[in-house]
Amino acid sequence: LAKTTQPISMDSYEGQEVNITCSHNNIATNDYITWYQQFPSQGPRFIIQGYKTKVTNEVASLFIPADRKSSTLSLPRVSLSDTAVYYCLVGVENQGGKLIFGQGTELSVKP
Amino acid sequence: GAVVSQHPSWVICKSGTSVKIECRSLDFQATTMFWYRQFPKQSLMLMATSNEGSKATYEQGVEKDKFLINHASLTLSTLTVTSAHPEDSSFYICSAREVREGEQYFGPGTRLTVT
Repeated sequence: LAKTTQPISMDSYEGQEVNITCSHNNIATNDYITWYQQFPSQGPRFIIQGYKTKVTNEVASLFIPADRKSSTLSLPRVSLSDTAVYYCLVGVENQGGKLIFGQGTELSVKP
Repeated sequence: GAVVSQHPSWVICKSGTSVKIECRSLDFQATTMFWYRQFPKQSLMLMATSNEGSKATYEQGVEKDKFLINHASLTLSTLTVTSAHPEDSSFYICSAREVREGEQYFGPGTRLTVT
């Protein structure tokens, strides 16, 4: 299983763009990169998934360089409600659906 | 979108008793469901994989006789914490993997407190 490394915590202010980078040096050829968001006392919520280059949805963008050894989750113009823990996961598709969570990044958005 | 429910959302029980937590996929079928445990300020830890009609597969270090998992239908999996102790107090979260698309959805979690 590819191990992921993320910053433990990040601070931001409302209206700013937040970029959270995840390192996954041992990513396999057929692994996907998936990001989840979790609020306190709630289950994780899917944000975005990608394989290479760039993926964008209504919530975030995911940037993946050519070597795929890292990825960056970009949250445009964050608000207080984006305060949460963000998890980067790698290698879901070839593990029978098993999701192994790393430590995650605790994002704190301040007014 | 697909919804996964858990019942109860929170439960308090006395040490030595057993507690059952239900995980339901409300609008889709799930041959596979997963159970996680999360302690305060920690990440989710996968406990077991539950497959409909077969025995669950437990992760290393998880006691299968203490955490009984039953996946009797394509929409329901249950986790029973037997002879609960205070150290079993935690946030238990399930997820369900949709049969057709393979997408995975998480439940809202169940807060277990053992006194």
